[in-house]
Amino acid sequence: GQQLNQSPQSMFIQEGEDVSMNCTSSSIFNTWLWYKQDPGEGPVLLIALYKAGELTSNGRLTAQFGITRKDSFLNISASIPSDVGIYFCAGLNAGGTSYGKLTFGQGTILTVHP
Amino acid sequence: DVKVTQSSRYLVKRTGEKVFLECVQDMDHENMFWYRQDPGLGLRLIYFSYDVKMKEKGDIPEGYSVSREKKERFSLILESASTNQTSMYLCASSLGPGGSSPLHFGNGTRLTVT
Repeated sequence: GQQLNQSPQSMFIQEGEDVSMNCTSSSIFNTWLWYKQDPGEGPVLLIALYKAGELTSNGRLTAQFGITRKDSFLNISASIPSDVGIYFCAGLNAGGTSYGKLTFGQGTILTVHP
Repeated sequence: DVKVTQSSRYLVKRTGEKVFLECVQDMDHENMFWYRQDPGLGLRLIYFSYDVKMKEKGDIPEGYSVSREKKERFSLILESASTNQTSMYLCASSLGPGGSSPLHFGNGTRLTVT
């Protein structure tokens, strides 16, 4: 099946630093999504990207849909302690028989030191 | 606000037991999904359902089955639990296919098979 490579696997940063993580794929996706999972909870959608080259912001978060449609990145500016959690990228290829099945990356574990 | 409720936060079962994981959503969503989450592997799709009594295999269906007798309820069944099924299980629902409308996740069931 399709695979997404998400990096880095984990990050330890100081409060106030900027964070960057990315996902790459060998396949083309039509939609890229970024989710965050707080400890003890299910993932929650942060940002959705639907067009190649699209750059979208949500507060301190910025994400981009790569021009090749095979990659996406997420940036978090001026990190705060509540940014702690696991961040997942997810890709959707609406074609074929997948009926909207998302493929998730392995996750990036973010730790923010006050 | 969409609520996806998983009946148990923690379960401990013995090898060979039949295990039922229950999930209920309250937003009349057509689509429901079961994922398992393992460190370093991200979220992997086990089964999904796009209508009552309809089901489709995800990427890792072996050892699992599902039941969707009512629109709001989607059950994951482990016919004979094995230790390699120890994992976090996440249920999700969406109004449309997984990328065109956001997935809403439950808080997960952590299953330990001894």
